[in-house]
Amino acid sequence: GNSVTQMEGPVTLSEEAFLTINCTYTATGYPSLFWYVQYPGEGLQLLLKATKADDKGSNKGFEATYRKETTSFHLEKGSVQVSDSAVYFCALSDRGNQGGKLIFGQGTELSVKP
Amino acid sequence: GAVVSQHPSRVICKSGTSVKIECRSLDFQATTMFWYRQFPKQSLMLMATSNEGSKATYEQGVEKDKFLINHASLTLSTLTVTSAHPEDSSFYICSANSGQEEWEETQYFGPGTRLLVL
Repeated sequence: GNSVTQMEGPVTLSEEAFLTINCTYTATGYPSLFWYVQYPGEGLQLLLKATKADDKGSNKGFEATYRKETTSFHLEKGSVQVSDSAVYFCALSDRGNQGGKLIFGQGTELSVKP
Repeated sequence: GAVVSQHPSRVICKSGTSVKIECRSLDFQATTMFWYRQFPKQSLMLMATSNEGSKATYEQGVEKDKFLINHASLTLSTLTVTSAHPEDSSFYICSANSGQEEWEETQYFGPGTRLLVL
């Protein structure tokens, strides 16, 4: 079945450091891939997405490239800020096989120190 | 665009009572809504998929008589936790997608409802 695996957290970085959060997936069809961010006490916000191989999603300085050959969708940011502290979820949606359901990774908590 | 609201944001109730949570898509029509439950420091657990005008589809292990879902219109779905018990205390989050073109596979999430059952 479909699944998503993220690197374990928490990840602690200093402000302006480079961020990578690894995400790999297993899917039987052709999924769309997403990164969502959850700030404390809130719901999830869509950060970026990619719908086909080699697509790059980007938003607010974050980027992720859909790599079919490595089944990965790693999240990167060149210079993190304290305000980026949150939990990040990688997810896939395979409408053909799952009816549009999202399959989430376990989440990675990011803490950015001043 | 693509705003989803939930009401209430926080609710405290006594054991044995029922609680209704509303999920609304504010600027689009949602053909499908999803209900999730999230425990502290954990990922989201899908409870059920709600399609307008039809019965909800529940995930394995989720009691449909306990968690009643009604998708009455293209902008509103409700989750009712019946005869709530302390173990039902959790953060409940809904999401919606419109099923149209580029939005088709993107779910937009509400801000969540924190339920505490005493």
